[in-house]
Amino acid sequence: GESVGLHLPTLSVQEGDNSIINCAYSNSASDYFIWYKQESGKGPQFIIDIRSNMDKRQGQRVTVLLNKTVKHLSLQIAATQPGDSAVYFCAENVGLTGGGADGLTFGKGTHLIIQP
Amino acid sequence: NAGVMQNPRHLVRRRGQEARLRCSPMKGHSHVYWYRQLPEEGLKFMVYLQKENIIDESGMPKERFSAEFPKEGPSILRIQQVVRGDSAAYFCASSPPLRGPAREQYFGPGTRLTVT
Repeated sequence: GESVGLHLPTLSVQEGDNSIINCAYSNSASDYFIWYKQESGKGPQFIIDIRSNMDKRQGQRVTVLLNKTVKHLSLQIAATQPGDSAVYFCAENVGLTGGGADGLTFGKGTHLIIQP
Repeated sequence: NAGVMQNPRHLVRRRGQEARLRCSPMKGHSHVYWYRQLPEEGLKFMVYLQKENIIDESGMPKERFSAEFPKEGPSILRIQQVVRGDSAAYFCASSPPLRGPAREQYFGPGTRLTVT
């Protein structure tokens, strides 16, 4: 399954399938990006990050892709499991060298639903 | 290593009362961030502090809200004369001393403030 930008708040996938969650960011000066997972009633949990000098970074079952040309970020989750059900947020930050604020700017989030 | 700790987890205040939210960063972390999250929305940056210093408060409302991170003890987010619109989840995040442009932030479980 695949979500498109920030306009699709819910993504439903079958257990075992791969999930792709997309995010469009607006600040071309952003040089650091993070994906967070937030389960109901809990704080955001760090998943994976990527700096602007990279196009791709892999973690355990997750991959983040960064396309700076179109200001697009995606999170791929392999072999989706029931425990992956959560809201996923992308966040961006302008680094010190860019003179930006230090807080993260979050997207609206995509609710990932896993169907058995 | 304990994560970011926040208390109380739930706080109910009547309109006009004061709310105090506490945050203890992860061990070894010297940077604290406060965010607010309204239902079904992403997190919004409020303020960034280091010990005894407010570094960036660009996201903090000008009135009724204040934050501190004293030399000893937790960081405090204080909301005076609360109104119903202050009802939200308030999250604290911490990060280690900066090494390059990345700011990997780890979040606490949040304080859910309800104003009646």
